[in-house]
Amino acid sequence: GQNIDQPTEMTATEGAIVQINCTYQTSGFNGLFWYQQHAGEAPTFLSYNVLDGLEEKGRFSSFLSRSKGYSYLLLKELQMKDSASYLCAVIGNYGQNFVFGPGTRLSVLP
Amino acid sequence: GAVVSQHPSRVICKSGTSVKIECRSLDFQATTMFWYRQFPKQSLMLMATSNEGSKATYEQGVEKDKFLINHASLTLSTLTVTSAHPEDSSFYICSAMQRSQNSPLHFGNGTRLTVT
Repeated sequence: GQNIDQPTEMTATEGAIVQINCTYQTSGFNGLFWYQQHAGEAPTFLSYNVLDGLEEKGRFSSFLSRSKGYSYLLLKELQMKDSASYLCAVIGNYGQNFVFGPGTRLSVLP
Repeated sequence: GAVVSQHPSRVICKSGTSVKIECRSLDFQATTMFWYRQFPKQSLMLMATSNEGSKATYEQGVEKDKFLINHASLTLSTLTVTSAHPEDSSFYICSAMQRSQNSPLHFGNGTRLTVT
């Protein structure tokens, strides 16, 4: 089975940096994804990690440690439009079981 | 970029009727499609994994006779909610995966189902 955990809610200030953590326990692992979802909309892809280390993409970075079953999404220079839910998802063996964590609702305050 | 089209975006139906939701990959072949359900302020809950040409694999607690999934081609999967009840009202989202195993999921825009 798969168990994925994230903080439920986070609050940060515009212009600041925020780190959203994700821990997972899975029977197989073929990569971890981060998605952003605004209320009432479909998720949009942010990042993908399959090897240990940091992947940087503009204001967003994602880190993975497979030995620790841990990932984080780092958002820099926060903007109001970054207020959304952030979902980590783990894909199991052979591309099956693409399971999402509970999501973290981020509120960016002025 | 890869596009997934989901239709309809919104549907209202009466209790006891059936509703079909379509999910199409427009510019790539999707060997695997996933169906999710999402209740307000909750994450996406995987309902079933659909592989082209074979029976869908349902998650625990999801009734396969109530949520019929058909993946007849590499570009189309359908979810039929049979004998819908008000508790089936939810946001249903499909996603498709390209042949490359570790490519990201591409999501449809979702279907808001309201059963009255």
